[in-house]
Amino acid sequence: QKEVEQNSGPLSVPEGAIASLNCTYSDRGSQSFFWYRQYSGKSPELIMFIYSNGDKEDGRFTAQLNKASQYVSLLIRDSQPSDSATYLCAGMNSGGYQKVTFGTGTKLQVIP
Amino acid sequence: EAQVTQNPRYLITVTGKKLTVTCSQNMNHEYMSWYRQDPGLGLRQIYYSMNVEVTDKGDVPEGYKVSRKEKRNFPLILESPSPNQTSLYFCASSLSWTGRGYDDGYTFGSGTRLTVV
Repeated sequence: QKEVEQNSGPLSVPEGAIASLNCTYSDRGSQSFFWYRQYSGKSPELIMFIYSNGDKEDGRFTAQLNKASQYVSLLIRDSQPSDSATYLCAGMNSGGYQKVTFGTGTKLQVIP
Repeated sequence: EAQVTQNPRYLITVTGKKLTVTCSQNMNHEYMSWYRQDPGLGLRQIYYSMNVEVTDKGDVPEGYKVSRKEKRNFPLILESPSPNQTSLYFCASSLSWTGRGYDDGYTFGSGTRLTVV
């Protein structure tokens, strides 16, 4: 079973701190990764995409990918209470078609 | 507004009564997919479609049917619903599926909360 694994949390950080969310994957065929944010009772929304090893930054968000270690992370700088949500990691692999596998999500709580 | 529209938002039905959840996107996306989300299990793919008349099974297709007769529509059909199909369902679409770009990311519908009693 090809899996994407995340710690369910909750991860609690104080307002203004850096939140670090992590994800590991088992399928070495996975070539690109997405981070989605899901507020309670809402649908997931795409916030980051990363394809190459290294870092990708977009505003307060930085995604990091290490294919050798099969590890993906999302850093949120200057965390705000509005960042409190569940963050879903998803990997896309080339298995006949580009299948997307989601982790179960990490719940983030930003404490004012 | 670019969006994926699902209907209904909430549905309570009885075991065995056929139902259809509709999904429509206005972004000319090639790829559409249905997921169910259950506590502790995350999002699991039911069916997907790479284009009109091209559909295939995801990880949990049992008890579901789909069709893609038009590019914008991708309905989910439960021929004989059972209580274990009680779940939160999401339709999602993406412009492409190359695995190399942001366009592969999903736009999700608002979800359909289905209860089968």
